[in-house]
Amino acid sequence: GAGVSQSPSNKVTEKGKDVELRCDPISGHTALYWYRQRLGQGLEFLIYFQGNSAPDKSGLPSDRFSAERTGESVSTLTIQRTQQEDSAVYLCASSLIVASLTYEQYFGPGTRLTVT
Amino acid sequence: AQKVTQAQTEISVVEKEDVTLDCVYETRDTTYYLFWYKQPPSGELVFLIRRNSFDEQNEISGRYSWNFQKSTSSFNFTITASQVVDSAVYFCALSEAESPGNQFYFGTGTSLTVIP
Repeated sequence: GAGVSQSPSNKVTEKGKDVELRCDPISGHTALYWYRQRLGQGLEFLIYFQGNSAPDKSGLPSDRFSAERTGESVSTLTIQRTQQEDSAVYLCASSLIVASLTYEQYFGPGTRLTVT
Repeated sequence: AQKVTQAQTEISVVEKEDVTLDCVYETRDTTYYLFWYKQPPSGELVFLIRRNSFDEQNEISGRYSWNFQKSTSSFNFTITASQVVDSAVYFCALSEAESPGNQFYFGTGTSLTVIP
């Protein structure tokens, strides 16, 4: 069975350019999360999608960050006008939520973003 | 305020020693879930355990064991007879079932180094 996949695995971009990161969750997982992990740091919550509900965007650090999800499938995280402080590993996770029971998150391998 | 506190930033042990990683959480919900994840040097987060707030039984899985104590709001993780392959960063996480959304709150992680 396929796990969570993310692409690209590595992205090097110049400051000021836009980037788009992709996440394919596990099939059937209604919840999808994006996190940022700076080198040697913990996980910083960015955004959460659950089914057709409005996403929880409370973790997005600025309006340069946005994310979309099509139904219960693929999600894209877009960072506009990238800055050097955006350099980090961006992790996507998906989980099953059934009748308000929260199950564990399964993480993708991450996209390592380097802004030069 | 941090909802999940992992006070130990780094721990080093010699192979075959036992080690306990501490996790203290804070919530007002009566229904919540606790998790442990392992992040080896390769980077991908691996799910280890999920525990709901109504199940205080300790769990053992091979060399791993977890001690959940609601009285002290702790969910500690013990590795018995540690091995070099246990070297990783370990994250504790909390999900509150009664609060809006299903955000996961991660601790800052404990970096474990097992010395051969």
